Amino acid sequence: EVKLVESGGALVRPGGSLRLSCEASGFTFSDYYMDWVRQVAGKGLEWVGRSRNKGNRNPTEHAASVKGRFTVSRDFSKNSLYLQMNSLKTEDTAVYYCVRSGPRGGNEWNFDYWGQGTLVTVSS
Amino acid sequence: DIQMTQSPSSLSASVGDRVTITCRASQDIIDRLAWFQQKPGRAPKSLVYATSTLESGVPSKFSGSGAGTDFTLTITNLQPEDSATYYCQHYRNYPPTFGQGTRLEIK
Repeated sequence: EVKLVESGGALVRPGGSLRLSCEASGFTFSDYYMDWVRQVAGKGLEWVGRSRNKGNRNPTEHAASVKGRFTVSRDFSKNSLYLQMNSLKTEDTAVYYCVRSGPRGGNEWNFDYWGQGTLVTVSS
Repeated sequence: DIQMTQSPSSLSASVGDRVTITCRASQDIIDRLAWFQQKPGRAPKSLVYATSTLESGVPSKFSGSGAGTDFTLTITNLQPEDSATYYCQHYRNYPPTFGQGTRLEIK
């Protein structure tokens, strides 16, 4: 059974930093792409960033709204995905989901399994 | 960025009804379209990818169709457990983006 468990969500001041973690189990972690997707309370979904599978020459992608502030990374030995968030803004307040992306034909990968999310609140 | 627009934003239907949700992309996404179901307080769940391929375990009451810029998700024989918000999402290029969601209420 695929399991994704996020942790690290907290209340943080504007300008502060936070690191989210996602522990994965139930599948071969190194074979899959992994993403972070966020959702503002009562609002829609926004993709944040991606970590590609092991050995991929282009390991990460980031949304323009977080580029230069957030960094997606992972530790293949620990089956863990991370999101380092710096220079946090009030508009970063959201539930952050860890999402596995599976192959969807051709060279396409897309979201298939979602964690339960962790809440990040940026407020003074 | 490719904009995804869903309609309607909300709808109400009765048990046993059939409903269709529409999703329009601002440019051609070929068939790189997925649908997700989200119930209150829960994470989204993948229903459909590549426009019409059901995820493993998703019942055949859900079906997707379309190509290019216009897509639909149809749900037949509505049951109370189908009450949720449904999102379309493209993965044609970066960034992948979502529609604003369609809230489905079962009367």
